[in-house]
Amino acid sequence: DTEVTQTPKHLVMGMTNKKSLKCEQHMGHRAMYWYKQKAKKPPELMFVYSYEKLSINESVPSRFSPECPNSSLLNLHLHALQPEDSALYLCASSQGQRLADEQYFGPGTRLTVT
Amino acid sequence: KQEVTQIPAALSVPEGENLVLNCSFTDSAIYNLQWFRQDPGKGLTSLLLIQSSQREQTSGRLNASLDKSSGRSTLYIAASQPGDSATYLCAVRPGSGGSNYKLTFGKGTLLTVNP
Repeated sequence: DTEVTQTPKHLVMGMTNKKSLKCEQHMGHRAMYWYKQKAKKPPELMFVYSYEKLSINESVPSRFSPECPNSSLLNLHLHALQPEDSALYLCASSQGQRLADEQYFGPGTRLTVT
Repeated sequence: KQEVTQIPAALSVPEGENLVLNCSFTDSAIYNLQWFRQDPGKGLTSLLLIQSSQREQTSGRLNASLDKSSGRSTLYIAASQPGDSATYLCAVRPGSGGSNYKLTFGKGTLLTVNP
C-alpha cells in the first residue's frame, strides 16, 4: 500500500468556522508533511512532522494548527481563515527525513474560504 | 537560494508526437531531482526520481535525464497520448544544509496532447 489518503476532498468554510483536514498513511512512514498550493503555483511547504513531533514550521500563521496524533495520522486544524487561504492542501509522507526518503503525496483537499 | 525554472510554461502537441520538457536549477548541490505529474485539482504523482549520481531514469514511455553540473534535467515523453495531458512539475532536493528536507519546485509545464 503506497497510498496517502486525504479527507475531505472539498471543503467550503466561512471565516469564523473551525474545521479540520485529515491525512492518513499506512506505509509505516515516520515523516509527514503539509503543503499549500495556490492555483497555477507550485506547492509550498507548511509543516513537517518527524516521529510525531513537529520539526519544521515554515512561518505559517497560527490560524493553521497541525497535529499528529499517531504515526499514521496527520491533521490540520483551521480557524479564522481568510479568503486568501483558499487553496489545495496537500499532505505527503516519507519513510523519514533522510535525504534518500522519497515523499509520497495525497490527492489533496480543495479548500474554499468564503 | 535554489531556484527551479521550467520551460515551456505550456505545450500543446498532436497525439503521437515525442516531446521534451525542460527543468533548470541554479544550485547544482542537489541530492536528487524528481518529476511529478499533476492532473487539474489533484495531488502529485511521482513519475521519476533521479539521484545526483545518476544520469537518467526510465519508466515506460518516460525518460528523465540529469546534468547536475549544468543544472539541467529533461523529461522525454515518447509517443504522447491524450491521457498524458497534465501539469508536469520538477522538484529538487538540496544535498546539504539544514533544509535538506525541503523540495524546491518549478512552476510546471502544462501539457496538452490533442487527439
